[in-house]
Amino acid sequence: DIQMTQSPASLSASLGETVTIECRASEDIYNGLAWYQQKPGKSPQLLIYNANSLHTGVPSRFSGSGSGTQYSLKINSLQSEDVASYFCQQYYNYPLTFGSGTKLEIK
Amino acid sequence: QVQLKETGPGLVQPTQTLSITCTVSGFSLTSYYMQWVRQTPGKGLEWMGFIRSGGSTEYNSEFKSRLSISRDTSKNQVFLKMNSLKTEDTGVYYCARDQGLPGTVLFDYWGQGVMVTVSS
Repeated sequence: DIQMTQSPASLSASLGETVTIECRASEDIYNGLAWYQQKPGKSPQLLIYNANSLHTGVPSRFSGSGSGTQYSLKINSLQSEDVASYFCQQYYNYPLTFGSGTKLEIK
Repeated sequence: QVQLKETGPGLVQPTQTLSITCTVSGFSLTSYYMQWVRQTPGKGLEWMGFIRSGGSTEYNSEFKSRLSISRDTSKNQVFLKMNSLKTEDTGVYYCARDQGLPGTVLFDYWGQGVMVTVSS
C-alpha cells in the first residue's frame, strides 16, 4: 500500500497569511493526488485533483503543486472560513489512501 | 441537486454485523461508481470499497473478508454490510460519489456520514 505522510499535523496562522501543507507519498504517484477540506462536524469536500487542478467552485486562493512523491497545498490570504482539517488522498493505486490530516486554526 | 444520505444504527455490539444504507438523489447509480469511506479515531480516513456503475465491486483487502457492498438501483440505494465488528470499527461511515473523471478516483459528493459505535 502507498503510505501518505502529511505535515504538519496542526498549524496556526493569522488572517491574510499564506500557509502550506505538505504530503509525501511512499512511492511515485504520478500526480494522482487530491486534497480535501473537512470543516468541523462536516464531511470532506474536494478542493484539488491531479495535484494542481482546482475543483469547480473552489476559491482561487487554494492551489496545489508537486510531482513524484512530494506534493503541497497552499492557501493564500487565509480567511476565517478556512478553519478546517485538510487531507491528501492518492488515487494512483489501490487501495486508495489518505494522509493523516492537518488541522488549521486561526491565531 | 445531488444528495447522499446514510442511515444506520448508532450502536452495534462487538461481533455483530453493521448495515448502512446510502440513499442518493440527483443522479443515477448506473452512471457513477459509489464509494465507501470511513473515519476512525485510530486510523483516520480509510477507503473501504466501491460498487461500479455496472454493479461489480472492489474492496480494500483490509476489509475484504468481512465487507459487502451492494445496491438497489430502483430505490437509488447503496448498501454496506460489514460483519464481525470490533471496537476499532467505531467511527463515521460515509458514502461518496466517484466523480468519474478518467484516470482519477475523486469523491465529489459525500453524505453527511453516520456515526457508528461498536460497544457492548
